[in-house]
Amino acid sequence: DTAVSQTPKYLVTQMGNDKSIKCEQNLGHDTMYWYKQDSKKFLKIMFSYNNKELIINETVPNRFSPKSPDKAHLNLHINSLELGDSAVYFCASSLSSGYTFGSGTRLTVV
Amino acid sequence: KQEVTQIPAALSVPEGENLVLNCSFTDSAIYNLQWFRQDPGKGLTSLLLIQSSQREQTSGRLNASLDKSSGRSTLYIAASQPGDSATYLCAVRGTGGSYIPTFGRGTSLIVHP
Repeated sequence: DTAVSQTPKYLVTQMGNDKSIKCEQNLGHDTMYWYKQDSKKFLKIMFSYNNKELIINETVPNRFSPKSPDKAHLNLHINSLELGDSAVYFCASSLSSGYTFGSGTRLTVV
Repeated sequence: KQEVTQIPAALSVPEGENLVLNCSFTDSAIYNLQWFRQDPGKGLTSLLLIQSSQREQTSGRLNASLDKSSGRSTLYIAASQPGDSATYLCAVRGTGGSYIPTFGRGTSLIVHP
């Protein structure tokens, strides 16, 4: 199926750990994104990559590091996890028009 | 900076009603506007995409209109059904710089039988 797929779907981890979330799209899109959705359901852009180049880096702590090995992948690595990092993280991709979102990764830091 | 507001924040209606969800934005220089649906615990599903040159788009019981000059879009849902219950999000994509869209906070819709 053509889609934006994220893994894992759920992630529970302790404070201080380092974790990664993977994202892949097979839609041929050239731009990929990471969004964070907080407990109040507000979607906030974190990063955007176009053709493997970082084009947007919002005010996100440098504990968050995106990595794009190729146009179809944008992974998110988080160091030294904190309680406040608990949220749902969405990957998305686009070409020239609309967005396609992944199903989200629910991260819980305990 | 673009700001997107969705009204109402929540809506509860009986099945069969025709609904209007509103999305307003402050900067009329937009590239496109997209309506999404989000079910609880799920990702976002695209419903309708309106380019800046278009006035409306239709898909089944859904119709979305765009009025750039007044900074508004409406999502019209005809003959609502319980399966329409979800959060509806509006995303506005600007013309400058990074084309990153700005999301509204959504309208949470419950359609009861």
